[in-house]
Amino acid sequence: GQNIDQPTEMTATEGAIVQINCTYQTSGFNGLFWYQQHAGEAPTFLSYNVLDGLEEKGRFSSFLSRSKGYSYLLLKELQMKDSASYLCAVRDSNYQLIWGAGTKLIIKP
Amino acid sequence: ETGVTQTPRHLVMGMTNKKSLKCEQHLGHNAMYWYKQSAKKPLELMFVYSLEERVENNSVPSRFSPECPNSSHLFLHLHTLQPEDSALYLCASSQDEGGPYEQYFGPGTRLTVT
Repeated sequence: GQNIDQPTEMTATEGAIVQINCTYQTSGFNGLFWYQQHAGEAPTFLSYNVLDGLEEKGRFSSFLSRSKGYSYLLLKELQMKDSASYLCAVRDSNYQLIWGAGTKLIIKP
Repeated sequence: ETGVTQTPRHLVMGMTNKKSLKCEQHLGHNAMYWYKQSAKKPLELMFVYSLEERVENNSVPSRFSPECPNSSHLFLHLHTLQPEDSALYLCASSQDEGGPYEQYFGPGTRLTVT
């Protein structure tokens, strides 16, 4: 079967750095996405990785290792507004997105 | 209006009611999706329409019936639902030409079945 694993919840301090991990086992691989979802709101696109390595976008970076079936989202200089759920999703061989259950990130002052 | 809009934002219905959820995208995309989001569970893909043709069903119960009259509009018709169908229903759209295009989501309809 297809599976995406990510931690259920993480806590970090304002101004710090946090890394949210995602491991996957899917039928084929055509890219990995990270989305952010604030409570009661729609998921919004953060990043996309299809080749191994690090993609940087301001305070957010995403890393991919296809051989290990592993990705992480790195958030730097955390702000209170970063409190949200972070969803990892993999596009499989049929170009359908397989979603993780999301990681709820709590930021403390 | 911009992006993806959904109405209503909240819906309470009895198990014998019939209601419809509406989604509209203003992004010029050619693919639209219905997802179900339950607490602490992964997003569940229910239906996909690409170029107004349904391409995925994912064994969704027949009490959910989608309709896509054109590339900008998507409906989800609901009838004789069960309490376990209570969830957030999200609509999304993307440019679906085999490329890695991200999906854009609407704000969702919070459905409660009593």
